[in-house]
Amino acid sequence: GAGVSQSPSNKVTEKGKDVELRCDPISGHTALYWYRQSLGQGLEFLIYFQGNSAPDKSGLPSDRFSAERTGGSVSTLTIQRTQQEDSAVYLCASSFGGGGAGTQYFGPGTRLTVL
Amino acid sequence: EDKVVQSPLSLVVHEGDTVTLNCSYEVTNFRSLLWYKQEKKAPTFLFMLTSSGIEKKSGRLSSILDKKELFSILNITATQTGDSAVYLCAPYQRDDKIIFGKGTRLHILP
Repeated sequence: GAGVSQSPSNKVTEKGKDVELRCDPISGHTALYWYRQSLGQGLEFLIYFQGNSAPDKSGLPSDRFSAERTGGSVSTLTIQRTQQEDSAVYLCASSFGGGGAGTQYFGPGTRLTVL
Repeated sequence: EDKVVQSPLSLVVHEGDTVTLNCSYEVTNFRSLLWYKQEKKAPTFLFMLTSSGIEKKSGRLSSILDKKELFSILNITATQTGDSAVYLCAPYQRDDKIIFGKGTRLHILP
């Protein structure tokens, strides 16, 4: 597709369940970012993938959060044993990275609600 | 620790007014500074500033970077209700990491 896509657009889950959020970056973009935005807050960096390098996981809030990127393209963010404070919009972005323009293109986000 | 501070956090003005949004940053390996506008879910790109003192303009929006003072401003002249949004400042680092500020929530009254 022409832009970054994310799925699902909305996810409602019960506390304690695991969830998987998916991101399809723009074709050819080597850099992929995950952010979280809680209601009324700024964007919180979670994790960053660049090509085949080890991901920068410095923003992951706890070991319940993990992410992988398969084949340098699609990424999945997994939250295990969800808690109510995990409720937020999870945004994915991609860019050329690696010395490229640096402009990030964002997906529409996944709104996660943990009951 | 990398830090991005935007001010004000919130601003309400009347249509036609001019606003200035501020961003100060302290990050390692700084490469450039990005400004985004966020109306609903996903932010949309406005500007990328790499050099000090060179103003970038797009219609009624303009922005400038001061790399010595680690500061950037975003100006919007003759504001319109469609400018109501959260404006995000984001330093872009040489390892391609991007850190966002909390944003300035701008509300334009008709």
